[in-house]
Amino acid sequence: DTEVTQTPKHLVMGMTNKKSLKCEQHMGHRAMYWYKQKAKKPPELMFVYSYEKLSINESVPSRFSPECPNSSLLNLHLHALQPEDSALYLCASSQESGLLNQPQHFGDGTRLSIL
Amino acid sequence: AQSVAQPEDQVNVAEGNPLTVKCTYSVSGNPYLFWYVQYPNRGLQFLLKYITGDNLVKGSYGFEAEFNKSQTSFHLKKPSALVSDSALYFCAVRDANTDKLIFGTGTRLQVFP
Repeated sequence: DTEVTQTPKHLVMGMTNKKSLKCEQHMGHRAMYWYKQKAKKPPELMFVYSYEKLSINESVPSRFSPECPNSSLLNLHLHALQPEDSALYLCASSQESGLLNQPQHFGDGTRLSIL
Repeated sequence: AQSVAQPEDQVNVAEGNPLTVKCTYSVSGNPYLFWYVQYPNRGLQFLLKYITGDNLVKGSYGFEAEFNKSQTSFHLKKPSALVSDSALYFCAVRDANTDKLIFGTGTRLQVFP
């Protein structure tokens, strides 16, 4: 069982819709991450939050907007997405950003389809 | 720049036989290496990590990894494969400068009954 919970599991939306992906962890981790994964490819880093502050933005288009309301929650707000944004979106957490020998723990992802 | 390479897109093995999934790395400084497994429609599950000084690292589900500094490799192994081990395996390295987790391209393991 994963300790990082993502909702919803599946999401279908039109290009003009606004939706949000949610991620929650209760391991006391202070670093949280968003990744995008295309089929049969490795995950690609999108954003990193450390102590609730955005520390890395991998030049992600502004139609993706992350938010970290508190140390346990991470949201990804979506607006005006393109068909190529269809993918599995993974959330992960780790004890602290900068502790290089600590693994990241992943949720099961939200499978997003853009019509 | 830090990187890992997984030279095999797919590995096929018969159930009960030993398996090896290969990974080589290129890092400056100490290597922070990890193995993850991804089952269909699931996220990545952490299997094991390299611990400085231990050339054989034991992890979850009976997996282990052999670290070889001279060959810059961190191969994943299991003495006896199960059909349920069939999945996508990723090797990864933590970049000490950026703190990013850099993944290999992945290896699909297929275990046949």
